[in-house]
Amino acid sequence: AQSVTQLDSQVPVFEEAPVELRCNYSSSVSVYLFWYVQYPNQGLQLLLKYLSGSTLVESINGFEAEFNKSQTSFHLRKPSVHISDTAEYFCAVRNSGNTPLVFGKGTRLSVIA
Amino acid sequence: GAVVSQHPSWVICKSGTSVKIECRSLDFQATTMFWYRQFPKQSLMLMATSNEGSKATYEQGVEKDKFLINHASLTLSTLTVTSAHPEDSSFYICSAPRTGRTDTQYFGPGTRLTVL
Repeated sequence: AQSVTQLDSQVPVFEEAPVELRCNYSSSVSVYLFWYVQYPNQGLQLLLKYLSGSTLVESINGFEAEFNKSQTSFHLRKPSVHISDTAEYFCAVRNSGNTPLVFGKGTRLSVIA
Repeated sequence: GAVVSQHPSWVICKSGTSVKIECRSLDFQATTMFWYRQFPKQSLMLMATSNEGSKATYEQGVEKDKFLINHASLTLSTLTVTSAHPEDSSFYICSAPRTGRTDTQYFGPGTRLTVL
């Protein structure tokens, strides 16, 4: 069975500092990997995804994640965070086809002014 | 882009009543939809997979008689919480992969259920 581990439940960071949110997964088959963001009292929004091809994927708001097959990781990074990045971030994995996502427990990113 | 809607966005009900939550894919067909549940400050847990024209498949530990799922058309799945109790209070979220394009799932905005 697939599983996703987000090692940090909370990450406080000062504004304009870099941040890395860690995500490791376990799966015996090829997977698709995702990062979702959830702002307070809102639904999930897709931040970025890895399906195939380049192992480094980027979002439009400066986040990036790198798929590392040997380490089964998909860590999310941003070189300089903003107050508006404060949210809950979920890493998720799924197989191909009409299969559901398996989510990690989430990491609460708190950006401090 | 593809959009999934949920209705209602929030509902408060008395214990013992039933609540129906709708999930619609607005501009694409979805033969499969997924229902998740999210408790406060926790992750999303898959409850069931809704299949158009057939019975839903439930995850272990989810009572199928309590959480009735009906996928009556290619754009609509409903989740009915029967005889709701305070412990059913949660955030319910649906998602749908676009049929023929299964690389991405589209999430609804969620429905917050509060049972008094």
